[in-house]
Amino acid sequence: IQLTQSPSFLSASVGDRVTITCRASQGITSSLAWYQQKPGKAPKLLIYAASNLQSGVPSRFSGSGYGTEFTLTISSLQPEDFATYYCQQLNNSPFTFGPGTRVDI
Amino acid sequence: QVQLVESGGGVVQPGGSLRLSCAASGFTFGDFAMHWVRQAPGKGLEWLALIWYDGGIKYYADSVKGRFTISRDNSENTLYLQMNSLRAEDTAVYFCAKERRGYFAEDWGQGTLVTVSS
Repeated sequence: IQLTQSPSFLSASVGDRVTITCRASQGITSSLAWYQQKPGKAPKLLIYAASNLQSGVPSRFSGSGYGTEFTLTISSLQPEDFATYYCQQLNNSPFTFGPGTRVDI
Repeated sequence: QVQLVESGGGVVQPGGSLRLSCAASGFTFGDFAMHWVRQAPGKGLEWLALIWYDGGIKYYADSVKGRFTISRDNSENTLYLQMNSLRAEDTAVYFCAKERRGYFAEDWGQGTLVTVSS
């Protein structure tokens, strides 16, 4: 299963609403996760099962979608949100990641 | 709290072997599936392998199938990745990760760097 993410890069400002899309080459039900990664750090799970907020993650992050199209939304971008975001499908092995979306100031 | 500590990385020649370890603490290791994921310098994340809680089922990425072997010792709370026939393109930071139900990678180690170079 191939995952594509759009955009691959976006430039935004603090307070902006940001939406990232992840598309799967075939249906994966809701078996999708979103991760945030900052330079030199391990990824951090934000959203699991497409729309469930991981414990401790701010509520400005939300996820939606089912089947082949998914979105990650940050309702009001904060300085600490500038990072790279990856989706990953966990429906079928190999459990592929998307190529990432870099969010810059 | 959950802690995952990878070790065993280093410099190895092409064609060589290396075994990575991931020491787990802060949770009942034998209850959870575990992942290995890597990231080449300046590149994205690449999922490599997953092993069920009891070691009974293993999944691999095509890029490492037949060369890498994932295993675990639940009595020692340790996950392993045996890497054989290493290539330059295997150069990366290797992360282990603990699943939450549904295989989602909930907790991650800090990573260990493997460099394949002559």
